[in-house]
Order: sequence, then structure tokens, then C-alpha cells
Amino acid sequence: GNSVTQMEGPVTLSEEAFLTINCTYTATGYPSLFWYVQYPGEGLQLLLKATKADDKGSNKGFEATYRKETTSFHLEKGSVQVSDSAVYFCALSVRGGSEKLVFGKGTKLTVNP
Amino acid sequence: NAGVMQNPRHLVRRRGQEARLRCSPMKGHSHVYWYRQLPEEGLKFMVYLQKENIIDESGMPKERFSAEFPKEGPSILRIQQVVRGDSAAYFCASSPRGIDEQYFGPGTRLTVT
Repeated sequence: GNSVTQMEGPVTLSEEAFLTINCTYTATGYPSLFWYVQYPGEGLQLLLKATKADDKGSNKGFEATYRKETTSFHLEKGSVQVSDSAVYFCALSVRGGSEKLVFGKGTKLTVNP
Repeated sequence: NAGVMQNPRHLVRRRGQEARLRCSPMKGHSHVYWYRQLPEEGLKFMVYLQKENIIDESGMPKERFSAEFPKEGPSILRIQQVVRGDSAAYFCASSPRGIDEQYFGPGTRLTVT
């Protein structure tokens, strides 16, 4: 089946620290990969995506590269800000099916000033 | 262009009552997905609908839950005879073609007392 495993949280960093949140997946087909962010009390916002191997998604200083050989899509940011504090979800969808998203459990990030 | 709208944002029901959750997709979007987020967990797919059709309901509990997306009006997720275990955040997402990224609403937080 399709599944996503992401790094357990919570993660606490100081402002300007480097961030990595690991994400690996298993998929029966050729998935598209996503990172969503959820701020407290809000819905999910798409942060970035990649639809094929070696693609790099990027947005707001965050990056993730679709690695087919390691079935990974790790999220990175070089210098986090307090405003990046949120829960981050890795997700996949498999084309040719219903395009439903399969999510990891989420990683809560807290950035301290 | 207004985003995905969900109402109510918060809903309290006693055990045995019915809960109706509404989702209005973004303008021009005819594909709707419902997800459930239990406390401290990621989102789980429930059902995928297009106008007047249920495309994939593989994530829906077999009893008490139903969903519709009529030709006119919002999509409705209906939970009959709610139990405490139904307490969760229910998110709706829409997309224009079913193969594009999904845009999420703010969610309805259901509490069953």
C-alpha cells in the first residue's frame, strides 16, 4: 500500500538554525510528493511539491528534493524564523487513482527567538 | 477568489445526535475531498466526490457516515448518531481537475460530549 513516514517530533530550534525534517514513503505507483504546513487552529497550506524524480520543490526558503532511489522527500530550510513554528506534514498522492493524499503523522516545529 | 469555506468552524454534539458539516469548494473546483484529523495524528482520507458522484469512499466508516456533493450547493459530510470517537477536526479540500494540488479549508472541529 501507500504510506508516509516522517520524523517524530516535536522539534525545537533557535532562530536562524538549520532545519531538516525527514520523510520517506512507500508507494505502489509513481507518486507526487508534497509538504503541507498547518499553523495553530488553521487548515493545511501547501508549502511545496515535486511530481517526478530529482525535482526540487521550493517555497519561502524551504526546499525538498524527490529522491526515488532512497524514496525520500526531506524538508530543509537554512535559517528558520519564529514564524515558521507550525506542524509540517509530508504527503503523497498516486496518479491514476483517486489522487487522494496520504499523510505522515506530522512534525511539530517550535522556533524560539 | 475566495478559498475553500467550511462551516461551522466548531460544532458540539451530544452522543446520539447528528452532525452535518458543510464545504464550499473554491470557485471553478468540481473535485472535493474530505479528511479527518484525530488528535495528535495526521490527516486520513475519507471520501472523494465530484459533482453528484462519489468517486472513492474507501476511507469512510461503513456505518453512520455519508457524504454528498449535489449539483447545486456545498458538499455535506453527515455523521449520524455521533459517538465520542467521532470527535476530530474534519477538513475539506478542493481541486479543479482531481490531478492538481488540493486546497484545504480551515476545518470543522467536532466535539461530541
